[in-house]
Amino acid sequence: SQWGEENLQALSIQEGEDVTMNCSYKTYTTVVHWYRQDSGRGPALIILIRSNEREKRSGRLRATLDTSSQSSSLSITAAQCEDTAVYFCATDAGVVGQLTFGRGTRLQVYA
Amino acid sequence: EAAVTQSPRNKVTVTGGNVTLSCRQTNSHNYMYWYRQDTGHGLRLIHYSYGAGNLQIGDVPDGYKATRTTQEDFFLLLELASPSQTSLYFCASSDGGASQNTLYFGAGTRLSVL
Repeated sequence: SQWGEENLQALSIQEGEDVTMNCSYKTYTTVVHWYRQDSGRGPALIILIRSNEREKRSGRLRATLDTSSQSSSLSITAAQCEDTAVYFCATDAGVVGQLTFGRGTRLQVYA
Repeated sequence: EAAVTQSPRNKVTVTGGNVTLSCRQTNSHNYMYWYRQDTGHGLRLIHYSYGAGNLQIGDVPDGYKATRTTQEDFFLLLELASPSQTSLYFCASSDGGASQNTLYFGAGTRLSVL
């Protein structure tokens, strides 16, 4: 498998808390994508971080990438109920046309 | 917003049956993909294509054929469906290879093989 064990998990937090999801991968990648999937819908890209970037921000989202440890994280600041979703990381394992997805982290944010 | 349309949305067939899942994108993207999603596995790539007439094998191709008839249309074929192919199938497209570009997903087709 391309993925480390910590990629499969579920998190439950209260609204307003910060949360971090981790993703570790075993094969070199040129990029890490983070997608979110809402119930009943297809995944949607939220952040793309390239191998020459260490951090990328988008609103309340922050992604990091450590190529030496082959790991990435996605943080959400002051989570809201609408952040409830499944979050996936995905890598290319060096193959231009392919994207391999992790098993996902199910995040539940309650009021 | 990129548009990827899958049909049907739900399908039930019997073991040994013949099933075709359809996908159309209207964004002039050259790459199209078929993934399956199963609990505990995330999304797994079945086949993908970078243009009409082209087909590339993904990570879990066994039991599946695919055909890209036009730039817009990508089909997934299960010629002898088995219960192990019961899954949620997603089609996606991207403008350029998946590595450096956004994948736009359809709403999915839920397939049950009895």
